[in-house]
Amino acid sequence: AQTVTQSQPEMSVQEAETVTLSCTYDTSESDYYLFWYKQPPSRQMILVIRQEAYKQQNATENRFSVNFQKAAKSFSLKISDSQLGDAAMYFCAYRSGIYNQGGKLIFGQGTELSVKP
Amino acid sequence: ETGVTQSPTHLIKTRGQQVTLRCSSQSGHNTVSWYQQALGQGPQFIFQYYREEENGRGNFPPRFSGLQFPNYSSELNVNALELDDSALYLCAISGQGISYEQYFGPGTRLTVT
Repeated sequence: AQTVTQSQPEMSVQEAETVTLSCTYDTSESDYYLFWYKQPPSRQMILVIRQEAYKQQNATENRFSVNFQKAAKSFSLKISDSQLGDAAMYFCAYRSGIYNQGGKLIFGQGTELSVKP
Repeated sequence: ETGVTQSPTHLIKTRGQQVTLRCSSQSGHNTVSWYQQALGQGPQFIFQYYREEENGRGNFPPRFSGLQFPNYSSELNVNALELDDSALYLCAISGQGISYEQYFGPGTRLTVT
């Protein structure tokens, strides 16, 4: 079975600085997708960024980028120029690339990010 | 804004009762997934529906059941509520296919006393 682990329950960053959130996963599959979701106090889960395992290039979305290390099964999220609105719970998630596995997302335990003004 | 709505926003039930939670979207996506998120935890997959049929289930007992309607809205039913069922219940919509993203609703907060 696949597992996702986030070893940092809480992180803090100064506004305008850069922070990196860690995620490791375990799978025997070669085809899969990885995601970072943001959940602010409003509870709405928002997709931040996604990475296809078959792509070697790291995904980037504006101030958000990932460091995908497939061999190490590591998938970290870097937030540059942190803003107060980035404060939230961040979840790393895995989804199998095998079609008959459906669209089940497997989530980590989350990292609570606070941003200091 | 995903256009996914869930109702009610929150509710309180007594142990042993039954509850129905609802999920709908304006976009007509044909796949809906339900997740349970206990306080301080990541969401756990309950099940997924595609074109009104269950299309995958997580490690939840049969007292968790669902429906999907022709308009792709969905219900999650939980019978014989237990205290551990207290959680945030999230639904997520997507197209069918591996590459489709899942878009989440704001959730229903269920408290069982």
